[in-house]
Amino acid sequence: ETGVTQSPTHLIKTRGQQVTLRCSSQSGHNTVSWYQQALGQGPQFIFQYYREEENGRGNFPPRFSGLQFPNYSSELNVNALELDDSALYLCASSLSGRASGSEKLLFGSGTQLSVL
Amino acid sequence: RKEVEQDPGPFNVPEGATVAFNCTYSNSASQSFFWYRQDCRKEPKLLMSVYSSGNEDGRFTAQLNRASQYISLLIRDSKLSDSATYLCVVADPRNSGGYQKVTFGTGTKLQVIP
Repeated sequence: ETGVTQSPTHLIKTRGQQVTLRCSSQSGHNTVSWYQQALGQGPQFIFQYYREEENGRGNFPPRFSGLQFPNYSSELNVNALELDDSALYLCASSLSGRASGSEKLLFGSGTQLSVL
Repeated sequence: RKEVEQDPGPFNVPEGATVAFNCTYSNSASQSFFWYRQDCRKEPKLLMSVYSSGNEDGRFTAQLNRASQYISLLIRDSKLSDSATYLCVVADPRNSGGYQKVTFGTGTKLQVIP
């Protein structure tokens, strides 16, 4: 099992900047989800990609965008950073099939983003 | 009302104690249920799925009450290593586009004391 890897582990940005976070999914997993976790809160769903297309989105503004690549790696991009964007960003991969039930999420160790 | 609500915690319990966490969910159509464990500043990891008939994994027992939309996790004989945040997770049925909404609770922090 290769696991899910995220980069970078920590990042400091200033308000108004743009950031790109990266995720390499577990081998064979075709679905990736991104979550934002503020201190003391549970992970909040941002969006999900399945076979390179976004097929689900949480309550986040359009300045949060993503990509999934043919090798199932993915990116989360955040434009015009705000102070409240400071959080742990988690990527989770899973194996989806339309006939399947709930997939178990395998998380990466996250990127801690601080916006100053 | 939050979609998934958990006891706020923190729970401070002595080693060897039995502790129970509760969770309620708002969508009666929710399909699948899980408990995840998250250590401080680490990623969540699946602890166990929750089945309608209830299920047990060693010292951990999970229960589901669909009528009351309630999930529980019982930990017996608590160990120091059980100290973590326990996240209740609820998954809705998959939509026509193949997307399955997964919602996390805010988590309950457990501290097991020597």
